[in-house]
Amino acid sequence: DVKVTQSSRYLVKRTGEKVFLECVQDMDHENMFWYRQDPGLGLRLIYFSYDVKMKEKGDIPEGYSVSREKKERFSLILESASTNQTSMYLCASSLFGGSKDEQFFGPGTRLTVL
Amino acid sequence: QQQVKQSPQSLIVQKGGISIINCAYENTAFDYFPWYQQFPGKGPALLIAIRPDVSEKKEGRFTISFNKSAKQFSLHIMDSQPGDSATYFCAATTFNSGYSTLTFGKGTMLLVSP
Repeated sequence: DVKVTQSSRYLVKRTGEKVFLECVQDMDHENMFWYRQDPGLGLRLIYFSYDVKMKEKGDIPEGYSVSREKKERFSLILESASTNQTSMYLCASSLFGGSKDEQFFGPGTRLTVL
Repeated sequence: QQQVKQSPQSLIVQKGGISIINCAYENTAFDYFPWYQQFPGKGPALLIAIRPDVSEKKEGRFTISFNKSAKQFSLHIMDSQPGDSATYFCAATTFNSGYSTLTFGKGTMLLVSP
Protein backbone atom coordinates (compact mmCIF):
# COMPACT_ATOMS: atom_id res chain seq x y z
CA ASP A 1 0.00 0.00 0.00
CA VAL A 2 1.06 3.52 -0.73
CA LYS A 3 1.79 5.42 2.37
CA VAL A 4 1.96 9.19 2.64
CA THR A 5 3.03 10.45 6.02
CA GLN A 6 3.03 13.97 7.36
CA SER A 7 5.36 15.02 10.14
CA SER A 8 2.74 16.35 12.52
CA ARG A 9 -0.99 15.85 13.00
CA TYR A 10 -1.37 19.08 14.99
CA LEU A 11 0.82 22.16 15.06
CA VAL A 12 0.44 25.45 16.88
CA LYS A 13 2.62 28.39 15.85
CA ARG A 14 2.76 32.10 16.47
CA THR A 15 2.30 34.86 13.92
CA GLY A 16 5.54 35.61 12.13
CA GLU A 17 7.14 32.24 12.79
CA LYS A 18 8.68 30.21 9.97
CA VAL A 19 6.83 26.94 9.68
CA PHE A 20 7.90 23.73 7.97
CA LEU A 21 5.42 21.01 7.08
CA GLU A 22 7.01 17.78 5.97
CA CYS A 23 5.59 15.04 3.78
CA VAL A 24 7.12 11.70 2.87
CA GLN A 25 5.83 9.06 0.46
CA ASP A 26 7.21 5.55 0.24
CA MET A 27 6.14 4.41 -3.24
CA ASP A 28 8.61 6.18 -5.52
CA HIS A 29 5.93 8.50 -6.88
CA GLU A 30 7.01 11.21 -9.29
CA ASN A 31 4.43 13.81 -8.31
CA MET A 32 3.69 15.40 -4.97
CA PHE A 33 1.14 18.00 -4.00
CA TRP A 34 0.24 20.32 -1.14
CA TYR A 35 -3.37 21.34 -0.53
CA ARG A 36 -5.13 23.28 2.14
CA GLN A 37 -8.60 22.28 3.24
CA ASP A 38 -10.99 24.79 4.76
CA PRO A 39 -14.67 24.25 5.64
CA GLY A 40 -16.89 25.25 2.77
CA LEU A 41 -13.94 25.80 0.43
CA GLY A 42 -12.92 22.23 -0.31
CA LEU A 43 -9.34 21.38 -1.22
CA ARG A 44 -7.26 24.05 -2.86
CA LEU A 45 -3.91 23.35 -4.48
CA ILE A 46 -1.00 25.36 -3.09
CA TYR A 47 2.02 23.91 -4.91
CA PHE A 48 2.99 20.72 -6.64
CA SER A 49 6.14 19.07 -7.85
CA TYR A 50 6.51 16.68 -10.78
CA ASP A 51 10.19 15.94 -10.26
CA VAL A 52 12.98 16.47 -7.76
CA LYS A 53 13.85 20.15 -7.46
CA MET A 54 10.94 21.07 -9.74
CA LYS A 55 7.92 22.94 -8.49
CA GLU A 56 4.85 24.57 -9.90
CA LYS A 57 2.43 27.03 -8.35
CA GLY A 58 -1.09 25.89 -7.73
CA ASP A 59 -4.15 28.04 -7.23
CA ILE A 60 -3.18 29.71 -3.94
CA PRO A 61 0.65 29.91 -3.67
CA GLU A 62 0.84 33.30 -1.99
CA GLY A 63 2.55 33.14 1.40
CA TYR A 64 3.95 29.66 0.80
CA SER A 65 7.03 28.08 -0.71
CA VAL A 66 8.07 24.46 -1.21
CA SER A 67 11.17 22.35 -1.37
CA ARG A 68 11.78 18.98 -2.92
CA GLU A 69 15.39 17.89 -2.54
CA LYS A 70 14.65 14.16 -2.58
CA LYS A 71 12.04 12.28 -4.55
CA GLU A 72 10.21 10.97 -1.50
CA ARG A 73 10.07 14.21 0.47
CA PHE A 74 8.12 17.41 -0.21
CA SER A 75 8.14 20.28 2.26
CA LEU A 76 5.75 23.18 2.55
CA ILE A 77 7.19 26.34 4.06
CA LEU A 78 5.35 29.26 5.55
CA GLU A 79 7.98 31.98 5.60
CA SER A 80 6.10 34.16 8.08
CA ALA A 81 2.98 32.50 9.38
CA SER A 82 -0.19 34.53 9.57
CA THR A 83 -3.53 33.81 11.23
CA ASN A 84 -5.24 33.38 7.85
CA GLN A 85 -2.98 30.39 7.25
CA THR A 86 -4.70 28.48 10.04
CA SER A 87 -5.99 25.45 8.17
CA MET A 88 -5.75 21.74 7.51
CA TYR A 89 -2.84 20.97 5.20
CA LEU A 90 -2.91 17.83 3.10
CA CYS A 91 -0.05 16.30 1.19
CA ALA A 92 -0.64 13.91 -1.71
CA SER A 93 1.40 11.96 -4.22
CA SER A 94 0.72 10.28 -7.55
CA LEU A 95 2.74 7.92 -9.68
CA PHE A 96 3.32 9.66 -12.99
CA GLY A 97 0.95 12.58 -13.25
CA GLY A 98 -1.32 11.27 -15.97
CA SER A 99 -4.97 12.28 -15.97
CA LYS A 100 -6.08 8.95 -14.54
CA ASP A 101 -3.41 8.81 -11.86
CA GLU A 102 -4.86 8.40 -8.40
CA GLN A 103 -3.65 10.84 -5.80
CA PHE A 104 -2.84 9.31 -2.43
CA PHE A 105 -3.29 11.59 0.52
CA GLY A 106 -1.66 11.81 3.90
CA PRO A 107 -3.75 12.23 7.06
CA GLY A 108 -3.23 15.98 7.18
CA THR A 109 -1.64 18.51 9.53
CA ARG A 110 -3.96 20.85 11.36
CA LEU A 111 -2.05 24.09 11.74
CA THR A 112 -3.18 26.82 14.10
CA VAL A 113 -1.46 30.20 13.90
CA LEU A 114 -2.02 32.38 16.96
CA GLN B 1 -13.11 31.30 -9.95
CA GLN B 2 -14.64 28.03 -8.95
CA GLN B 3 -14.32 25.62 -11.83
CA VAL B 4 -16.17 22.69 -10.27
CA LYS B 5 -19.42 23.48 -8.49
CA GLN B 6 -20.72 20.88 -6.05
CA SER B 7 -24.07 20.59 -4.32
CA PRO B 8 -25.49 20.13 -1.80
CA GLN B 9 -23.08 21.27 0.88
CA SER B 10 -24.55 18.75 3.31
CA LEU B 11 -26.95 15.87 3.05
CA ILE B 12 -28.82 13.67 5.50
CA VAL B 13 -30.17 10.37 4.21
CA GLN B 14 -31.91 7.53 5.99
CA LYS B 15 -30.25 4.14 6.01
CA GLY B 16 -31.21 2.28 2.87
CA GLY B 17 -31.97 5.45 0.94
CA ILE B 18 -30.27 6.91 -2.11
CA SER B 19 -27.70 9.67 -1.69
CA ILE B 20 -27.21 11.97 -4.67
CA ILE B 21 -24.46 14.55 -5.01
CA ASN B 22 -24.21 16.79 -8.05
CA CYS B 23 -21.34 18.55 -9.72
CA ALA B 24 -21.02 20.90 -12.67
CA TYR B 25 -17.97 22.14 -14.48
CA GLU B 26 -17.11 24.86 -16.96
CA ASN B 27 -13.71 23.98 -18.33
CA THR B 28 -14.05 21.72 -21.37
CA ALA B 29 -10.35 20.82 -21.06
CA PHE B 30 -11.14 18.60 -18.06
CA ASP B 31 -10.54 15.02 -19.13
CA TYR B 32 -11.17 12.80 -16.11
CA PHE B 33 -13.65 13.04 -13.26
CA PRO B 34 -12.83 11.27 -9.97
CA TRP B 35 -14.72 11.29 -6.71
CA TYR B 36 -12.87 11.24 -3.42
CA GLN B 37 -14.23 10.14 -0.04
CA GLN B 38 -12.91 11.52 3.21
CA PHE B 39 -13.63 10.16 6.69
CA PRO B 40 -13.03 12.33 9.77
CA GLY B 41 -9.36 12.47 10.69
CA LYS B 42 -8.25 10.92 7.39
CA GLY B 43 -7.07 12.21 4.08
CA PRO B 44 -9.34 11.85 1.02
CA ALA B 45 -9.20 8.58 -0.87
CA LEU B 46 -10.26 7.80 -4.41
CA LEU B 47 -13.73 6.27 -4.52
CA ILE B 48 -14.67 6.02 -8.18
CA ALA B 49 -13.87 7.86 -11.41
CA ILE B 50 -15.22 8.27 -14.94
CA ARG B 51 -13.95 9.30 -18.37
CA PRO B 52 -15.95 11.90 -20.30
CA ASP B 53 -16.74 9.46 -23.13
CA VAL B 54 -18.72 7.24 -20.75
CA SER B 55 -22.19 8.14 -19.52
CA GLU B 56 -22.28 5.91 -16.46
CA LYS B 57 -19.94 3.91 -14.28
CA LYS B 58 -21.00 1.62 -11.47
CA GLU B 59 -18.93 0.06 -8.72
CA GLY B 60 -20.97 -1.77 -6.16
CA ARG B 61 -23.42 0.66 -4.57
CA PHE B 62 -21.68 3.70 -6.08
CA THR B 63 -22.59 5.04 -9.52
CA ILE B 64 -21.36 8.05 -11.44
CA SER B 65 -23.68 9.52 -14.06
CA PHE B 66 -22.03 11.83 -16.59
CA ASN B 67 -23.70 14.27 -18.97
CA LYS B 68 -21.05 15.76 -21.23
CA SER B 69 -23.35 18.14 -23.10
CA ALA B 70 -24.65 19.63 -19.86
CA LYS B 71 -21.18 19.53 -18.27
CA GLN B 72 -22.62 17.84 -15.21
CA PHE B 73 -21.89 14.67 -13.31
CA SER B 74 -23.30 13.12 -10.19
CA LEU B 75 -22.60 10.45 -7.60
CA HIS B 76 -25.39 8.11 -6.55
CA ILE B 77 -24.99 5.95 -3.46
CA MET B 78 -27.60 3.21 -3.43
CA ASP B 79 -28.75 1.55 -0.20
CA SER B 80 -26.83 4.15 1.81
CA GLN B 81 -25.28 2.85 5.03
CA PRO B 82 -24.10 4.63 8.21
CA GLY B 83 -20.56 3.65 7.22
CA ASP B 84 -20.94 5.84 4.12
CA SER B 85 -21.11 8.92 6.34
CA ALA B 86 -18.19 11.00 5.12
CA THR B 87 -17.33 14.06 3.09
CA TYR B 88 -17.42 13.53 -0.67
CA PHE B 89 -15.49 15.61 -3.16
CA CYS B 90 -16.01 15.61 -6.88
CA ALA B 91 -12.99 16.59 -8.91
CA ALA B 92 -11.84 17.12 -12.45
CA THR B 93 -8.43 16.57 -13.98
CA THR B 94 -6.57 18.84 -16.35
CA PHE B 95 -3.59 17.41 -18.18
CA ASN B 96 -1.15 20.08 -19.27
CA SER B 97 2.53 20.11 -20.23
CA GLY B 98 3.18 16.59 -19.06
CA TYR B 99 1.41 16.57 -15.72
CA SER B 100 -2.11 16.64 -14.40
CA THR B 101 -3.72 18.54 -11.58
CA LEU B 102 -7.03 18.07 -9.81
CA THR B 103 -9.63 20.75 -9.29
CA PHE B 104 -11.94 19.84 -6.42
CA GLY B 105 -15.48 20.80 -5.65
CA LYS B 106 -16.16 22.25 -2.22
CA GLY B 107 -17.36 18.96 -0.79
CA THR B 108 -20.58 17.42 0.49
CA MET B 109 -20.86 16.21 4.06
CA LEU B 110 -23.08 13.11 4.01
CA LEU B 111 -24.71 11.75 7.13
CA VAL B 112 -26.57 8.47 6.87
CA SER B 113 -28.87 8.06 9.84
CA PRO B 114 -29.41 4.56 11.24
